[in-house]
Amino acid sequence: AQKVTQAQTEISVVEKEDVTLDCVYETRDTTYYLFWYKQPPSGELVFLIRRNSFDEQNEISGRYSWNFQKSTSSFNFTITASQVVDSAVYFCALCIGNAGGTSYGKLTFGQGTILTVHP
Amino acid sequence: DGGITQSPKYLFRKEGQNVTLSCEQNLNHDAMYWYRQDPGQGLRLIYYSQIVNDFQKGDIAEGYSVSREKKESFPLTVTSAQKNPTAFYLCASSRQAGGDEQFFGPGTRLTVL
Repeated sequence: AQKVTQAQTEISVVEKEDVTLDCVYETRDTTYYLFWYKQPPSGELVFLIRRNSFDEQNEISGRYSWNFQKSTSSFNFTITASQVVDSAVYFCALCIGNAGGTSYGKLTFGQGTILTVHP
Repeated sequence: DGGITQSPKYLFRKEGQNVTLSCEQNLNHDAMYWYRQDPGQGLRLIYYSQIVNDFQKGDIAEGYSVSREKKESFPLTVTSAQKNPTAFYLCASSRQAGGDEQFFGPGTRLTVL
């Protein structure tokens, strides 16, 4: 079975601070995909990034960066110079990529981290 | 514009009534999904469909039913057998199952009175 743990339930920062959201996952499969989604107050989930298990390169997109480490089963997300518009719930998720398995195609979500950025 | 639509945004029903939530996508995606979100919790998978005329139970399928007669539509029925139906329901689709990113609709907030 797959599991995703986001240990930080809530984080509160002041604008312009950097903030890192932690994500730890568990799976026995060797082919899998990791995702981050943002859920603003409107409720709709917004896709941020997908990373497959064979690509450990870190990625940067503007103020967002992701650190994928298979050795520690972690996929952490950092927001640099946070802004009020970054306030949202952030979800980390895991999907198995091996066709034929019972979990194939199913996204397993963490509990989410509520990020509040104060002006 | 391509996307996923869910209707209605808010839905109220009396206890014991079945209710159907609509989900339509014009992204030409093969796979579609239904999730349930409760306050302070992550999303849990109810049902998913990898292709037309096929669907599988997710982690919390009891009390729910689905159909996938058309590629673009994946309606979810919340039956009276669902013990605690009040929740936020999100529909998603992906190009294919198995690792493609899933795109989500705006959600339907169901309240059972």
